[in-house]
Amino acid sequence: AQSVTQPDIHITVSEGASLELRCNYSYGATPYLFWYVQSPGQGLQLLLKYFSGDTLVQGIKGFEAEFKRSQSSFNLRKPSVHWSDAAEYFCAVGAAGGGADGLTFGKGTHLIIQP
Amino acid sequence: DSGVTQTPKHLITATGQRVTLRCSPRSGDLSVYWYQQSLDQGLQFLIQYYNGEERAKGNILERFSAQQFPDLHSELNLSSLELGDSALYFCASSDRAAGDTQYFGPGTRLTVL
Repeated sequence: AQSVTQPDIHITVSEGASLELRCNYSYGATPYLFWYVQSPGQGLQLLLKYFSGDTLVQGIKGFEAEFKRSQSSFNLRKPSVHWSDAAEYFCAVGAAGGGADGLTFGKGTHLIIQP
Repeated sequence: DSGVTQTPKHLITATGQRVTLRCSPRSGDLSVYWYQQSLDQGLQFLIQYYNGEERAKGNILERFSAQQFPDLHSELNLSSLELGDSALYFCASSDRAAGDTQYFGPGTRLTVL
């Protein structure tokens, strides 16, 4: 069965500093990988996704993520965070081509921005 | 705005009751997924429908059921409610049956008293 680990429950970053949120996955076949963001009281917004091809993917709001198959990782990065980036971030894995088991999510990382 | 709509936004009910949550997918999307988000279990996949047919099942309790109608909207029925069913319930939709991006609705917050 697939699984996703987000090792950091909370991360505190100063505004303007760089950010990296870690995600490791376990999946028996070729995965589809996603990062979603959830602001308080809101739904899940897609930040970016990896299906195939270039392992560095760009998303919305200045976020990017790099797929590293050898490390089973899909870490999310942003060069300079803004106060509005404070939210809960979820990494998710889905089945590529054929599987239909829904997405498996990590427990989430709560991002706090210090002024 | 993802284009996925869910009603109601909030629902408060008592133990033992039955409720129905409604989801309208994005225009043109044939797949609807239901997820439950709770503090102890996190985000869990419940069930998927594709073009009216059940396609995949996750950790859905027997007290819960869903269906997708000809106009592609979906309903999640929760019965014999327990305190532990209090959670945020999300609907997501995608174009294809599998291997596609899922777009999430704003969720329905269910409180069971």
